[in-house]
Amino acid sequence: AQSVTQLDSQVPVFEEAPVELRCNYSSSVSVYLFWYVQYPNQGLQLLLKYLSGSTLVESINGFEAEFNKSQTSFHLRKPSVHISDTAEYFCAVSDIYNQGGKLIFGQGTELSVKP
Amino acid sequence: DGGITQSPKYLFRKEGQNVTLSCEQNLNHDAMYWYRQDPGQGLRLIYYSQIVNDFQKGDIAEGYSVSREKKESFPLTVTSAQKNPTAFYLCASRQQGTDTEAFFGQGTRLTVV
Repeated sequence: AQSVTQLDSQVPVFEEAPVELRCNYSSSVSVYLFWYVQYPNQGLQLLLKYLSGSTLVESINGFEAEFNKSQTSFHLRKPSVHISDTAEYFCAVSDIYNQGGKLIFGQGTELSVKP
Repeated sequence: DGGITQSPKYLFRKEGQNVTLSCEQNLNHDAMYWYRQDPGQGLRLIYYSQIVNDFQKGDIAEGYSVSREKKESFPLTVTSAQKNPTAFYLCASRQQGTDTEAFFGQGTRLTVV
């Protein structure tokens, strides 16, 4: 069965520093990959997604993620974080062969940006 | 505006009572999902439905039940058989096909006392 591992449960970082949130998935079959962000007591919002094509995908607020098929990874990066980036981030995977259309999530990484 | 509405936002129930969480979407999505969120455990899939009048168990379906009588509605019942029901519950919907993202409601925080 498909699974997603987010290697860091908490990432504290100072404002304007770079950050990387790591995500690995288990399956060797072709997948679609997503990063979601969750602010306290709210639902999840899509940050970016990889479907096909260029392995580097970007969001409108400066985040980017790179799909690495050989390492089965989809790490999220931002070169300079802001206080407002403080939130929980979830990596998710969907099998392109449509295992019932399930979207499988990792355990989440809590990003804490300090002034 | 199109979106997913979960209600209520906060819910308190006594132990042993069944409770139903509402989820409605006007996005015309075929697929709908229920996830449970606990600190440090991410989102765990409870049930999902890809079409009206059909649904499948997720990874933690025990103690929960659902129905999908209408395309726009996917209510979740937390029964008294659920051993530890206190959690944050998230509903999502998605257009059929695997290359599309899921859209989430704002969640319902259930507290059983």
